[in-house]
Amino acid sequence: DTAVSQTPKYLVTQMGNDKSIKCEQNLGHDTMYWYKQDSKKFLKIMFSYNNKELIINETVPNRFSPKSPDKAHLNLHINSLELGDSAVYFCASSPPRATNEKLFFGSGTQLSVL
Amino acid sequence: GQNIDQPTEMTATEGAIVQINCTYQTSGFNGLFWYQQHAGEAPTFLSYNVLDGLEEKGRFSSFLSRSKGYSYLLLKELQMKDSASYLCAVPVQTGANNLFFGTGTRLTVIP
Repeated sequence: DTAVSQTPKYLVTQMGNDKSIKCEQNLGHDTMYWYKQDSKKFLKIMFSYNNKELIINETVPNRFSPKSPDKAHLNLHINSLELGDSAVYFCASSPPRATNEKLFFGSGTQLSVL
Repeated sequence: GQNIDQPTEMTATEGAIVQINCTYQTSGFNGLFWYQQHAGEAPTFLSYNVLDGLEEKGRFSSFLSRSKGYSYLLLKELQMKDSASYLCAVPVQTGANNLFFGTGTRLTVIP
């Protein structure tokens, strides 16, 4: 039983295209996140949602738009893809807000923009 | 703001002990996490320290000194499967799990 699942695992696309990455968690967690890991392996928060409400929106181009239809899903839509968007994108979830609660990560989506 | 420093790479021998250091600066300390990430996989939780001292969990232990802004992860009886990146992270704001990660230390265990 996969706790946090995201699809697709690999995404290869051309510059200028629009693509989506889906994420679902079956842990009953209230909070979900999108993290980006670049080629230097630096893992950085992009967005955080708590019970479908956006609570963190780091400095991310507005070409990136998260959508949370319910608290178990947080999808990431990217418009007009650029070469610099190539990275691994991780979805994660955690129990209700508490700083000592660990994150549960999905297996990642490797996005390659050509 | 936040800043985390970790060595980029380390190599150690199977069966040995290795210590991975992390120094951090953060406004409003809310604990420190260690995560393990194998190549091509997701990070997985190893430990959380909020009080000073050493917390032991099997072969892995984590130490924290809040006054020094310093933590380390101690791996004993190294196994080949311990080859991975080890990420130090601190929460960015109270009441949320927005973690600021260091760039990680890539550990290679050799026979």
